[in-house]
Amino acid sequence: NAGVTQTPKFRVLKTGQSMTLLCAQDMNHEYMYWYRQDPGMGLRLIHYSVGEGTTAKGEVPDGYNVSRLKKQNFLLGLESAAPSQTSVYFCASGLLVRTDTQYFGPGTRLTVL
Amino acid sequence: GENVEQHPSTLSVQEGDSAVIKCTYSDSASNYFPWYKQELGKRPQLIIDIRSNVGEKKDQRIAVTLNKTAKHFSLHITETQPEDSAVYFCAASNIRNKLVFGAGTILRVKS
Repeated sequence: NAGVTQTPKFRVLKTGQSMTLLCAQDMNHEYMYWYRQDPGMGLRLIHYSVGEGTTAKGEVPDGYNVSRLKKQNFLLGLESAAPSQTSVYFCASGLLVRTDTQYFGPGTRLTVL
Repeated sequence: GENVEQHPSTLSVQEGDSAVIKCTYSDSASNYFPWYKQELGKRPQLIIDIRSNVGEKKDQRIAVTLNKTAKHFSLHITETQPEDSAVYFCAASNIRNKLVFGAGTILRVKS
C-alpha cells in the first residue's frame, strides 16, 4: 500500500514549456486535490475532484488544467509554464465517508526559469 | 469565502516548555479544524483535528481547543522535544471536502 505517490519529484522548465504532474493513490479514495505551497502562504487549492470524471476549480486555478480519467489518478497540467508557477505541488486524497481528512503525497518541486 | 489567519509565523521555545499556535477563521459555518505538521522536505501530515461540536481534544502531548463564538482555535504542545521542530499548519473547512489553510508557523525547539 503506497498511499499517495507523485511523479516527478523535481522538474525544471523554461518559460512557455508544458508538463503534466501525475498523482496516484491506491486507497480507493473518491476525492483528490492539487495544492501549491509557496513560502509564507501555506497550501492553496488549485483544483480538486470528487470522483472519476469530475473536476472543479479551487482557490488558484488559473494557468492549470486537470483530468481524472481513472479513480486512482489525478493529473495536473501546465500548458505554458510561467515563473510565477515555481512552487512545490502537493497532491492529496480523501475518503467519501470521512471526507475531511486528507492524505498528502510527497510533493513535486517545480522551477520555471 | 473562508479566510484563516495563523499566529505567530515563527516560534522558538526551550526544550520542555510549552508551545501555543493560534488560528482565527472568518466563516461561522466552518465545522472542521485540522492541524498538520510538515517536517523539512516532507509532506504535511495530520496530527490532530477537532469538529465544531467539541471544545477540546487531547492526544498525549498535543491538544487543540476551539472557541466557536470567537471563531478561533489553538494548538497546544506540552513538554516540547527537538523532534517537534517543524512547520505547523491549521486549516478550516466550511464546505465539504475543501480545506482552507493558514500560512503556517515555524516551530523551533532549542535543546
